[in-house]
Amino acid sequence: DQQVKQNSPSLSVQEGRISILNCDYTNSMFDYFLWYKKYPAEGPTFLISISSIKDKNEDGRFTVFLNKSAKHLSLHIVPSQPGDSAVYFCAAFSGGYNKLIFGAGTRLAVHP
Amino acid sequence: DGGITQSPKYLFRKEGQNVTLSCEQNLNHDAMYWYRQDPGQGLRLIYYSQIVNDFQKGDIAEGYSVSREKKESFPLTVTSAQKNPTAFYLCASSTGWQGTEAFFGQGTRLTVV
Repeated sequence: DQQVKQNSPSLSVQEGRISILNCDYTNSMFDYFLWYKKYPAEGPTFLISISSIKDKNEDGRFTVFLNKSAKHLSLHIVPSQPGDSAVYFCAAFSGGYNKLIFGAGTRLAVHP
Repeated sequence: DGGITQSPKYLFRKEGQNVTLSCEQNLNHDAMYWYRQDPGQGLRLIYYSQIVNDFQKGDIAEGYSVSREKKESFPLTVTSAQKNPTAFYLCASSTGWQGTEAFFGQGTRLTVV
């Protein structure tokens, strides 16, 4: 049973426009959420995170929104750049279990 | 420089053989994790460890074993019981406390020949 779901396997966006990547989770025990970016044959790199006590966190072009009632979070990238093309993973952390669970990832392609 | 190191980067194994993947971190992190990534799929948790001498099974632990004898090291053994071991393996570490991200190694690609 997938506890963290990224239902869109891929997304294509034009350079300069907004990219919106979505993530849903099922376990209400998750209390911290993270987004990672991954290139082929490399380890994921941390992008941005949000605590369950917040509903928004912003870092430059990246903003993460959390809707706890809907158990949904999203990553907004604006403006999108070709260098943003990668696979983006949503992850959820349960402090009670010290366990980090990842979604299946969304492949973002930003084209000129 | 602090970081997390996986070795080797590429590994080939004959069917029926056990093989051990190394993961070392000098970040003084308590928690360490092993994930597996298959083509077109996400990261699936194999094992994780919160402290030395303690570890728990993740979602796909069958056919794998781990040890955590030192804080810095969390080796993963892929045994002959693992039916489909060819994959990209990623090790990560974190402080284990809310509010901090996990750091990943560069991964080991294991191929069974």
